[in-house]
Amino acid sequence: SQKIEQNSEALNIQEGKTATLTCNYTNYSPAYLQWYRQDPGRGPVFLLLIRENEKEKRKERLKVTFDTTLKQSLFHITASQPADSATYLCALGSTTDSWGKLQFGAGTQVVVTP
Amino acid sequence: DGGITQSPKYLFRKEGQNVTLSCEQNLNHDAMYWYRQDPGQGLRLIYYSQIVNDFQKGDIAEGYSVSREKKESFPLTVTSAQKNPTAFYLCASSTGTGNTEAFFGQGTRLTVV
Repeated sequence: SQKIEQNSEALNIQEGKTATLTCNYTNYSPAYLQWYRQDPGRGPVFLLLIRENEKEKRKERLKVTFDTTLKQSLFHITASQPADSATYLCALGSTTDSWGKLQFGAGTQVVVTP
Repeated sequence: DGGITQSPKYLFRKEGQNVTLSCEQNLNHDAMYWYRQDPGQGLRLIYYSQIVNDFQKGDIAEGYSVSREKKESFPLTVTSAQKNPTAFYLCASSTGTGNTEAFFGQGTRLTVV
């Protein structure tokens, strides 16, 4: 069965350092992968999308890589700030479904301390 | 402002009751989705709709029902057949063309009392 794995343990990091999150998947051939941020008690907010033919995407302090051979995506937050503290979700989408259904990982909580 | 609105934010249900969660969007999106989120688990798809008057079951549709009478609205009913309804429910919308982001509402936390 399809499986998406994210680190279940919270990532504690000091302000100014780079946070790196991992998203691994099995039994899946995604056409694209997305990362979302979720704050407690609120809905997820879209951050970045990377397609299967792309290796890397950047947006301000965020960087995403996508390795379809390793079946893995890495999400980096550079120069992290306390305001970056949240849970980050990865989500996979398939071209076999053109209506935007997504499969989500359970998320990794990031805590940035001053 | 364009967006997606869920109501209520908190909902309490007695055993054996049906309850309906509201979801409205003014983004002119064709596709709408309902997800359920439980602690330590990823979002799981309940139902989705591609166009008005059409919807499909997701991975965990048992005990739930939906309607899509208007493009803007996609209400979810949690029926008494759903044995473990306590969860955080999220509605989302997208253009539906795939390869695009989903916009989420703020969620409804449903608790059985």
